[in-house]
Amino acid sequence: QQQVKQSPQSLIVQKGGISIINCAYENTAFDYFPWYQQFPGKGPALLIAIRPDVSEKKEGRFTISFNKSAKQFSLHIMDSQPGDSATYFCALPVKRGNNRLAFGKGNQVVVIP
Amino acid sequence: EAQVTQNPRYLITVTGKKLTVTCSQNMNHEYMSWYRQDPGLGLRQIYYSMNVEVTDKGDVPEGYKVSRKEKRNFPLILESPSPNQTSLYFCASSFSGTATGNTIYFGEGSWLTVV
Repeated sequence: QQQVKQSPQSLIVQKGGISIINCAYENTAFDYFPWYQQFPGKGPALLIAIRPDVSEKKEGRFTISFNKSAKQFSLHIMDSQPGDSATYFCALPVKRGNNRLAFGKGNQVVVIP
Repeated sequence: EAQVTQNPRYLITVTGKKLTVTCSQNMNHEYMSWYRQDPGLGLRQIYYSMNVEVTDKGDVPEGYKVSRKEKRNFPLILESPSPNQTSLYFCASSFSGTATGNTIYFGEGSWLTVV
């Protein structure tokens, strides 16, 4: 069964710094790798996603990079802002064709002024 | 506006008193699911539904029931709540399950405390 492991569990970054969080997975038979962002008291919302035919995708200050050989994809938050303070989740199907989703335990990012 | 609406948002109940958390989506999505979120455990899937009258267990289905009689609604039923079901619950929907490119839309969450 697919396991999704996120690291680090928590991260404190100064304003303007770079936040890097990672998602490692076991089963490679997927073609969509999303990051969800959750603010306190709110439901998660899709932030950015990548397909494995590209190694990197950038949307504003957020960059997602994919390393197929390492079975890992990462989220980089450039010029981190206090408003980026949130919990970030990656999620993948338990196995290909299965509609159960496995979420990681989340990365808590705190950006201090 | 695309929405997943859950009710109630906050509830304190007593052990054994049946309760239902409602969930409704306005996006005509086929796939709906329920998650619980606990500190240090992330999001765990309780049940999901691929379409009307089609439901299946997620990772932590014990103590919960669901039904999907209409496409837009997917209520979560706790027949006999226990304190270990105290949690933050999220309903979610997407166009078609875990297929490529599907965005999952989450509700605002329902805080449930069982005493």
